[in-house]
Amino acid sequence: SAVISQKPSRDICQRGTSLTIQCQVDSQVTMMFWYRQQPGQSLTLIATANQGSEATYESGFVIDKFPISRPNLTFSTLTVSNMSPEDSSIYLCSVLVWGKGANEQYFGPGTRLTVT
Amino acid sequence: EDKVVQSPLSLVVHEGDTVTLNCSYEVTNFRSLLWYKQEKKAPTFLFMLTSSGIEKKSGRLSSILDKKELFSILNITATQTGDSAVYLCAVQNTGTASKLTFGTGTRLQVTL
Repeated sequence: SAVISQKPSRDICQRGTSLTIQCQVDSQVTMMFWYRQQPGQSLTLIATANQGSEATYESGFVIDKFPISRPNLTFSTLTVSNMSPEDSSIYLCSVLVWGKGANEQYFGPGTRLTVT
Repeated sequence: EDKVVQSPLSLVVHEGDTVTLNCSYEVTNFRSLLWYKQEKKAPTFLFMLTSSGIEKKSGRLSSILDKKELFSILNITATQTGDSAVYLCAVQNTGTASKLTFGTGTRLQVTL
């Protein structure tokens, strides 16, 4: 498994501002993912962040709105830019770990973002 | 596009009951199906299933996959109030991204 921490755990932000969320893993992992979970909804993948390459964004998500950094194999950041109330969500980072002959995916504790 | 449907959407049971949660899926190039328990923010990994007919078990929880009929079930026996949570099912394809597609979850409430 993997131990994942995220900062901040929660924040309340004003519209138009930006927030950067940090994700730290206790071991080196190749693949990291950023998910969003809007109120009452399931998890939606924002992007895949691999070290040494540009993040790959899912349909409906763009780099200008959600820039991602992946400077090394244990750390990543997601920025939510020019926020609006619709960005109020839980943001989760996730890592892929090879275990027991297959890839298992683990999640960080999440960042609860409220935009006013 | 990969798709995951979970049922029921929500469920209320009494402590001690046994529950079965369902997950059906459509995915191109299936790799695995995963079950998670989400109590507050972070989903907690429960099981990963890759082969049909092989039951995975952990305490009172068990799960099995049917790759022919494209579904999985998660069983919880002798439920406790601590089992109250949203249970998420997700499928992973064999693409290089190995991304997960999640269902909307089943909200389980266990009452005394």
